[in-house]
Amino acid sequence: KNQVEQSPQSLIILEGKNCTLQCNYTVSPFSNLRWYKQDTGRGPVSLTIMTFSENTKSNGRYTATLDADTKQSSLHITASQLSDSASYICVVSYNFNKFYFGSGTKLNVKP
Amino acid sequence: DSGVTQTPKHLITATGQRVTLRCSPRSGDLSVYWYQQSLDQGLQFLIQYYNGEERAKGNILERFSAQQFPDLHSELNLSSLELGDSALYFCASSVGGASNQPQHFGDGTRLSIL
Repeated sequence: KNQVEQSPQSLIILEGKNCTLQCNYTVSPFSNLRWYKQDTGRGPVSLTIMTFSENTKSNGRYTATLDADTKQSSLHITASQLSDSASYICVVSYNFNKFYFGSGTKLNVKP
Repeated sequence: DSGVTQTPKHLITATGQRVTLRCSPRSGDLSVYWYQQSLDQGLQFLIQYYNGEERAKGNILERFSAQQFPDLHSELNLSSLELGDSALYFCASSVGGASNQPQHFGDGTRLSIL
């Protein structure tokens, strides 16, 4: 069964700290994996897109990793800021143009 | 601002009714995607259009239909509405039709069924 599972469901960290969010998937055939940031009441914003052959991709303080063999991805946020408080969603594209979404990790950065 | 415009922002209607949600993609984008986000099921891919043609289909119900017009705007039609159709409906656009293209999301239409 095609699934995308994210952990943890929610996370509270102090401003300035680093954190890592996890995404495990069983989707096949795999096309690419994306990470999105979604603020409450807004549309998702793309952070990274990785294909099968890419292991790491960075976007500012966000670094995503992909292990296609173990079907795991992580999103590392460095030096967190209050504006990083949002839901982070992992999306796996399969069969070229279809998408499976994880349920997201809700991150709360406290001052 | 993503450049993707969705109207209306909010829609309240009753069970059994029909509604149309509208999406204007970013200038130059040929692909439009529709997604549904509900509290119990998260985000789900519904359908993709590329330059007026249906490109991919996800979990779109038979009561729902979409189209993309020659000016590239798209409409999502929802009919025989049920309470469970209450959700945020997002439209996204990308330049090309391939799945590795970055997608730019609008801020959604919140549909409430009473």
